[in-house]
Amino acid sequence: EPEVTQTPSHQVTQMGQEVILRCVPISNHLYFYWYRQILGQKVEFLVSFYNNEISEKSEIFDDQFSVERPDGSNFTLKIRSTKLEDSAMYFCASSEMRLAGVRREQYFGPGTRLTVT
Amino acid sequence: GNSVTQMEGPVTLSEEAFLTINCTYTATGYPSLFWYVQYPGEGLQLLLKATKADDKGSNKGFEATYRKETTSFHLEKGSVQVSDSAVYFCALRGEAGTALIFGKGTTLSVSS
Repeated sequence: EPEVTQTPSHQVTQMGQEVILRCVPISNHLYFYWYRQILGQKVEFLVSFYNNEISEKSEIFDDQFSVERPDGSNFTLKIRSTKLEDSAMYFCASSEMRLAGVRREQYFGPGTRLTVT
Repeated sequence: GNSVTQMEGPVTLSEEAFLTINCTYTATGYPSLFWYVQYPGEGLQLLLKATKADDKGSNKGFEATYRKETTSFHLEKGSVQVSDSAVYFCALRGEAGTALIFGKGTTLSVSS
């Protein structure tokens, strides 16, 4: 069964450093998403991406964050200058294209745990 | 704005016990409602969904009914198994958007 994969599973970085989290969505999916979960808190939506542009983003997704589809298989989340409060589990998800107004299920990866020290 | 509230855990049950995990939501219009499950070391998996009022989603013995009048989507299972031990997340998606709005998650632990 196809699945979303994420690398690395755990990333430790120092405050102020840039990090790139990587995701490989399911191959025929065209919508991509990032979510995060700070320990003990809710899973929060960050951004959705379609046709090489952001289609929706939350207030969390400020100028420190960016997303990119650098090639035909990867989808990345970059945090330019990490802060302590960026420590969280980051989940990537993907879904098929909308057909006739039906929005398809989002398939999630296992997550990358980011620890900022 | 849209939000989801689900019961705090952990929920600890013996095998074959009845499970209820409460979930209520706040949203305008007619959102779609979901239950996701996360097994240890894995990603979030869709367990079941309902897209309109009075719909019942069901999968693997789990059920949840979309109740517009009480803005609820409680998860139930008649007889839990040890393999059901996981974290369960209630979520909604608004009428127009793509984002899923999640509850905090409820940890279920089932012992034999």
